[in-house]
Amino acid sequence: AQTVTQSQPEMSVQEAETVTLSCTYDTSESDYYLFWYKQPPSRQMILVIRQEAYKQQNATENRFSVNFQKAAKSFSLKISDSQLGDAAMYFCAYRSLFMYSGGGADGLTFGKGTHLIIQP
Amino acid sequence: DTGVSQNPRHKITKRGQNVTFRCDPISEHNRLYWYRQTLGQGPEFLTYFQNEAQLEKSRLLSDRFSAERPKGSFSTLEIQRTEQGDSAMYLCASSLGTGGTNEKLFFGSGTQLSVL
Repeated sequence: AQTVTQSQPEMSVQEAETVTLSCTYDTSESDYYLFWYKQPPSRQMILVIRQEAYKQQNATENRFSVNFQKAAKSFSLKISDSQLGDAAMYFCAYRSLFMYSGGGADGLTFGKGTHLIIQP
Repeated sequence: DTGVSQNPRHKITKRGQNVTFRCDPISEHNRLYWYRQTLGQGPEFLTYFQNEAQLEKSRLLSDRFSAERPKGSFSTLEIQRTEQGDSAMYLCASSLGTGGTNEKLFFGSGTQLSVL
């Protein structure tokens, strides 16, 4: 079974600064997907960024970018020019490439999350 | 696109009672997922539907839990004989399946269950 570990329960950053959230995972699969989700106080999970493991190029979405290190099984999220609206819980998630492989493989495996605080 | 809708937003019940939650996915989304999230944890996968067929169930889904998706539209999640350990937020998500697994999930705001 896959596991996702987020070792930072809470991170704090000054507005307009850059912050990096860490995520490591464990899997025996060679192809898979990795995601970062944001959960604001409204509780709705919002997809921030997605990375396909077979792509060497790191994904970017505006102020959000990832550092994907496949050999190290590391998938960190960098938020540049932090804004007050970025304050939320951030979850790293893993998804198997193959459907119907049992054990809930069709679903996402989430880490425990990192609470991001933006200081004005 | 009105988003994924979940009702009720909050549910308080006594131990031993049955509860039912409803999820209305984004129209035309053929895939629907249920997750459970407890305090301080990330969401945990419970079950998954493609249209009306329930294709995957997590080992977390005990016999007291049942989910349905009649006609491939809205879905219900029922918990029978609730226990205090069932207290959690229940999240629903939907996606437009394209045959591959690289798909975007849209989540609802969840139903917060408290079992007294």
